[in-house]
Amino acid sequence: ILNVEQSPQSLHVQEGDSTNFTCSFPSSNFYALHWYRWETAKSPEALFVMTLNGDEKKKGRISATLNTKEGYSYLYIKGSQPEDSATYLCAFRQAGTALIFGKGTTLSVSS
Amino acid sequence: EAQVTQNPRYLITVTGKKLTVTCSQNMNHEYMSWYRQDPGLGLRQIYYSMNVEVTDKGDVPEGYKVSRKEKRNFPLILESPSPNQTSLYFCASSLSLSNSPLHFGNGTRLTVT
Repeated sequence: ILNVEQSPQSLHVQEGDSTNFTCSFPSSNFYALHWYRWETAKSPEALFVMTLNGDEKKKGRISATLNTKEGYSYLYIKGSQPEDSATYLCAFRQAGTALIFGKGTTLSVSS
Repeated sequence: EAQVTQNPRYLITVTGKKLTVTCSQNMNHEYMSWYRQDPGLGLRQIYYSMNVEVTDKGDVPEGYKVSRKEKRNFPLILESPSPNQTSLYFCASSLSLSNSPLHFGNGTRLTVT
């Protein structure tokens, strides 16, 4: 059974802090790595889909990097704002398989 | 508006009473999938479909059925619901299973007593 690990499980930061979380996945037969943002009482929304080793994606203050050889991806949030409070999910896919989700990192940003 | 529509949003039912949760997408997506979300367990895949008439089991298919007779619809059927199927369910779709992101429905909160 494929395992996708996210750390930390939860995180609390002050407004303006920058932060990052990790997604670890099997390094063999890599196909794609997804990041989703999931706000309370809403449904998950896609942030990034990454497919190439060394990929870096950016959307506003949020960015992500990918290392397929060692099996990890980092999600960075620069200058956290209260509206960034959410659970961030990563999902991994090997060739020929469906997406496997991690359990998420829950970020809380206080003003 | 491009969207994935699930119904109902909330459902309370009793053990053994068959129910169907509908899912429809208007984006002509090939890939559709059902997940359940339980505390501490993350999103777990129930069933998925690569295209019309093609469905496959995910990680937790027991107690569920699906069908994909049309591209836009992917209903989730619980023939005989049990309390351990009380959960938050999400339907999702994507253009393909390659590099496309998933688009999620709004979720269905199911309680089986």
